[in-house]
Amino acid sequence: DAGVTQSPTHLIKTRGQQVTLRCSPKSGHDTVSWYQQALGQGPQFIFQYYEEEERQRGNFPDRFSGHQFPNYSSELNVNALLLGDSALYLCASNRGQGVEQYFGPGTRLTVT
Amino acid sequence: RKEVEQDPGPFNVPEGATVAFNCTYSNSASQSFFWYRQDCRKEPKLLMSVYSSGNEDGRFTAQLNRASQYISLLIRDSKLSDSATYLCVVNPLGVNTGKLIFGQGTTLQVKP
Repeated sequence: DAGVTQSPTHLIKTRGQQVTLRCSPKSGHDTVSWYQQALGQGPQFIFQYYEEEERQRGNFPDRFSGHQFPNYSSELNVNALLLGDSALYLCASNRGQGVEQYFGPGTRLTVT
Repeated sequence: RKEVEQDPGPFNVPEGATVAFNCTYSNSASQSFFWYRQDCRKEPKLLMSVYSSGNEDGRFTAQLNRASQYISLLIRDSKLSDSATYLCVVNPLGVNTGKLIFGQGTTLQVKP
């Protein structure tokens, strides 16, 4: 039973560039949430996708956008990268109304 | 005031010790509560959900005090492998609307 997978593992980008991160949910899960975790902090909720629509959004600017595909996988896009966007980006999945979310290994993004 | 507050520690304890972590949350309407464990540079992993009646899983006991908006985690007979960061997590709306709110995390270092 495959858990949540994310790609790539690591990524280095330059300020102003754009990046796309990918996530495949755990088998049987249909809901995907994205979190940003800065060093020494807890994860911060970015948004959640369910039935290919953004269901809820945290306090992140419009530079952060996402998408969910019919197979429930998801992408996180960040435009006009800033140095402060350097963080671990975590994807979590759950099934339906289940509140317990399971996390992928994350993508570590470094913006130089 | 942060929505979820934890003492960041670090807590340095010898093997076999009992250690307790505390967490407070600001939204009195919060419905679901969890403890996650995060190893260095890894993803958070669900340790246990926290119920009003309290719950126990082996050496781990979680308690919830709704009146005081306080959550605790007790670890008995600490093992070296318990060394990690423990994240207190709240879902303010209960049913899955995605937004898990994480505390900063409490770091535990168990020494031989």
